[in-house]
Amino acid sequence: GQQLNQSPQSMFIQEGEDVSMNCTSSSIFNTWLWYKQDPGEGPVLLIALYKAGELTSNGRLTAQFGITRKDSFLNISASIPSDVGIYFCAGHSGLQGAQKLVFGQGTRLTINP
Amino acid sequence: DSGVTQTPKHLITATGQRVTLRCSPRSGDLSVYWYQQSLDQGLQFLIQYYNGEERAKGNILERFSAQQFPDLHSELNLSSLELGDSALYFCASSQSTGFGTEAFFGQGTRLTVV
Repeated sequence: GQQLNQSPQSMFIQEGEDVSMNCTSSSIFNTWLWYKQDPGEGPVLLIALYKAGELTSNGRLTAQFGITRKDSFLNISASIPSDVGIYFCAGHSGLQGAQKLVFGQGTRLTINP
Repeated sequence: DSGVTQTPKHLITATGQRVTLRCSPRSGDLSVYWYQQSLDQGLQFLIQYYNGEERAKGNILERFSAQQFPDLHSELNLSSLELGDSALYFCASSQSTGFGTEAFFGQGTRLTVV
């Protein structure tokens, strides 16, 4: 089946550092979504991207939809302790009316104060 | 609060048993997705329903089945449970199956099979 390759799998950073993670696929996606999941909770949507080349920000978060439609990245600037969690990318693919939302394996972010 | 409601929040059951997980989508959302998340793993897509009809299938076992009812709530049925079925099960909903659709997740049901 379709897979999203998300990297890195984990990150250990100091508070205040910037963070960058990305997702790649061998297939084209029509939409890229970025989610954050806290332990024991459901994923929460952070940013949605709809067009190739689109760059969207949400506070300290910035995400881009790759020109080839096969990749996306998420940047977090000036990290703070509440940024800790698992970040997932997800992509919509498939024909209209028969789409699947496929997730990457996640990037676990740990912040040292 | 995402507006997606899942019940129960926790479920403990024995091997061989059958359970039903319930999901109420956000108001106005026609599409429901089910995902399984094992410990420290990613989200595995199981199945998607749109307005009562199955639209996409992922890695869903034959022992598992789902349906979406006329009021748009959905149920995921897990039968002949095995220890390996212990996981978090998430439901997500979105307005449509169309392009550019955002999906919002419930809080999940934690299933423990003993």
